[in-house]
Amino acid sequence: NAGVMQNPRHLVRRRGQEARLRCSPMKGHSHVYWYRQLPEEGLKFMVYLQKENIIDESGMPKERFSAEFPKEGPSILRIQQVVRGDSAAYFCASSPRDVSALSIQYFGAGTRLSVL
Amino acid sequence: QKEVEQNSGPLSVPEGAIASLNCTYSDRGSQSFFWYRQYSGKSPELIMFIYSNGDKEDGRFTAQLNKASQYVSLLIRDSQPSDSATFLCAVKKQGGKLIFGQGTELSVKP
Repeated sequence: NAGVMQNPRHLVRRRGQEARLRCSPMKGHSHVYWYRQLPEEGLKFMVYLQKENIIDESGMPKERFSAEFPKEGPSILRIQQVVRGDSAAYFCASSPRDVSALSIQYFGAGTRLSVL
Repeated sequence: QKEVEQNSGPLSVPEGAIASLNCTYSDRGSQSFFWYRQYSGKSPELIMFIYSNGDKEDGRFTAQLNKASQYVSLLIRDSQPSDSATFLCAVKKQGGKLIFGQGTELSVKP
């Protein structure tokens, strides 16, 4: 029973490059959440997606960041023109179809992005 | 005021003692509460969740919720050095997103 799969685990980019982070939810889960953890800070919500829909992007920076969850394939978090302040751990979580208060989010291992 | 607040610690307890981790939240309409454990450099791992006022026990862990006081806690009995980690309190918002506290670093000394 595979858990939430994220890749790559580590990603190094130079300033100005693009970063693409991928997340495959647990089997049977159709809800995906992205969180960011800056060094020495807590986890911050970024975006919540269902297949082909962005449900809540209230935590996404207004520029350079985008996310998608296509009908086929993993969810992608895309960061354009990365800057050093984007260096962080990016975690994906998934939950089952039911998003009630009783629904649990399970986290992937994360992608550690380093911007040189 | 932060939506979810935790003492950052570090909280240091001797092996075998009870560790008590506390969390307060500001949104009185919050319905579900979660404790995650995060080892350094690793991802958050769900330890406990609680929805109703009172206590919920699972092995060495007990979660306590008091909605009137907007307070949730996690007790760890018989603390072990392997429990040394950062414990994250999270509150689920309407629509599903989790709001996390800053985390409390726990250190269990042998």
